[in-house]
Amino acid sequence: GQSLEQPSEVTAVEGAIVQINCTYQTSGFYGLSWYQQHDGGAPTFLSYNALDGLEETGRFSSFLSRSDSYGYLLLQELQMKDSASYFCAVEDAGKSTFGDGTTLTVKP
Amino acid sequence: DTGVSQDPRHKITKRGQNVTFRCDPISEHNRLYWYRQTLGQGPEFLTYFQNEAQLEKSRLLSDRFSAERPKGSFSTLEIQRTEQGDSAMYLCASSLSQGVNEQFFGPGTRLTVL
Repeated sequence: GQSLEQPSEVTAVEGAIVQINCTYQTSGFYGLSWYQQHDGGAPTFLSYNALDGLEETGRFSSFLSRSDSYGYLLLQELQMKDSASYFCAVEDAGKSTFGDGTTLTVKP
Repeated sequence: DTGVSQDPRHKITKRGQNVTFRCDPISEHNRLYWYRQTLGQGPEFLTYFQNEAQLEKSRLLSDRFSAERPKGSFSTLEIQRTEQGDSAMYLCASSLSQGVNEQFFGPGTRLTVL
């Protein structure tokens, strides 16, 4: 089976940088995805890592270390609108297993 | 609006009744997923289709749950003999089977079982 761990809550101030970690234990692994979900909204895709290293998309970057079963999402230049839940998800042959999410609160 | 639609958006039913939800994915997407999400949890995988074939179904899912995608386009999820524990948001997502598995989620159907 699959299990993922991520912190339940993170708080940061506007303009800061925050890192959300994700560790996983899986029976199969193709890659690690990250999704954002605002209150009352549906999850939206942010990034995907299949290989070790850093992927950068604007203010957001995602990192993966397959040997450590570990990844993180890095959010830079935080804005109030980044307040949301962030989920890591293990991709395995078409099936996605999501973590329980990290609630990010951005304060002015 | 991601292009994935779900109907109805809200459903209130009494325990023991059957309910059916519909999902219309992005037209060129051949993969379709169903998830269940409760407050404070991540989306929980229920099942997924590639075209009309149901490729995997969660072992957590009881026999009361069934899903179909008859022509490889829209999909339905039926819950028979609903229980209060079935109350949740039911999310549908679609994606392409090649490349990054970027899933586009619909707005969800919120089910309340009284």
